Amino acid sequence: GEDVEQSLFLSVREGDSSVINCTYTDSSSTYLYWYKQEPGAGLQLLTYIFSNMDMKQDQRLTVLLNKKDKHLSLRIADTQTGDSAIYFCAESMTGGGNKLTFGTGTQLKVEL
Amino acid sequence: SAVISQKPSRDICQRGTSLTIQCQVDSQVTMMFWYRQQPGQSLTLIATANQGSEATYESGFVIDKFPISRPNLTFSTLTVSNMSPEDSSIYLCSAPGQGGVQYFGAGTRLSVL
Repeated sequence: GEDVEQSLFLSVREGDSSVINCTYTDSSSTYLYWYKQEPGAGLQLLTYIFSNMDMKQDQRLTVLLNKKDKHLSLRIADTQTGDSAIYFCAESMTGGGNKLTFGTGTQLKVEL
Repeated sequence: SAVISQKPSRDICQRGTSLTIQCQVDSQVTMMFWYRQQPGQSLTLIATANQGSEATYESGFVIDKFPISRPNLTFSTLTVSNMSPEDSSIYLCSAPGQGGVQYFGAGTRLSVL
């Protein structure tokens, strides 16, 4: 089966950049996603990248995809306290009609 | 994007009872998906809800425990049957927007006493 792995915790200072990493195993994934979950809330789609892309930038967010190493990262520039949340990467499963396999989630804590 | 409305947003239920969760999408979609997020855990796919056919369940999930309906292309329900405290979780539905990108409802927080 497919496993998607993330480090569990990341702590950064406000204003610094945060980099959240993810490794996946399904080399034929169509999309790779980053979702944000704040305490008590549902899942917010932050950004996604199509598998034929290497990089995608959207305001403070930069996604890098290394297909050779099956590595995905999310960089948040100028991290704010409002960015404190759990971040999940997810991959769409081959032939699965867009169903997703999620990573374990990384809890980002932003300190003043 | 796709707008997905899910209700109830939360509920507290007694063991042995059942709860039906509703999911409404603002556009017609072939497939909808139901996920479970146990406390402190990631999301696990329960089943894929196909319009016009039976749902497809993932390993570890069975229809008797999690019956799913899909009466049309914009709506689905998930029932959590004969609940026990181990069923306390967040249940989320998802559906694809343009290009197949997956969007989620706000989730249903279920507590079973």
